[in-house]
Amino acid sequence: AQSVTQLDSQVPVFEEAPVELRCNYSSSVSVYLFWYVQYPNQGLQLLLKYLSGSTLVKGINGFEAEFNKSQTSFHLRKPSVHISDTAEYFCAVGPQTGANNLFFGTGTRLTVIP
Amino acid sequence: DSGVTQTPKHLITATGQRVTLRCSPRSGDLSVYWYQQSLDQGLQFLIQYYNGEERAKGNILERFSAQQFPDLHSELNLSSLELGDSALYFCASSVGFKPNTIYFGEGSWLTVV
Repeated sequence: AQSVTQLDSQVPVFEEAPVELRCNYSSSVSVYLFWYVQYPNQGLQLLLKYLSGSTLVKGINGFEAEFNKSQTSFHLRKPSVHISDTAEYFCAVGPQTGANNLFFGTGTRLTVIP
Repeated sequence: DSGVTQTPKHLITATGQRVTLRCSPRSGDLSVYWYQQSLDQGLQFLIQYYNGEERAKGNILERFSAQQFPDLHSELNLSSLELGDSALYFCASSVGFKPNTIYFGEGSWLTVV
């Protein structure tokens, strides 16, 4: 079985400051890893994904994430946030074998303060 | 724009009624997934279809059913609706049946009154 833990439900940060949104997962099999963003009243947009290879992945809007297998983590980072980054961010895992769906965390609400 | 199209965007209906949500996957995608997003349950996987066949089942209630048609669009049928069924229902699609890249639609907001 798979589970995802997003350690912070809300993260306030000042504009142009760096941010890290934390994600830890549990799985008995190898997984694909994802970050999705949900802007107010919108759908889920894929930010970035880790399938294999380099553990540092870059996504859209200046975000990046690092896969750490030993710590079963996939934290999302951005060196300088903008007001437009205010949104809900979801970490998700997809098992490479077994289940065919994504398992989501409970989300982290990022609020960028002017 | 993810390329996944969902209709209707908003729907208000009464308890006990039945509704159908429709989804068109991205061009070339054979898999369709349905998810429910609610405040208390978060994002819950309901069901997956791949090329017309049910592939995986999640926390889908017996009052709910889905199907994928030969043209690959999918419908989610919700019946005997209860207040607790009010939620945002997402459709998502991927090329294959493994969840290595899944794109989500904008969702269908269902309000049961």
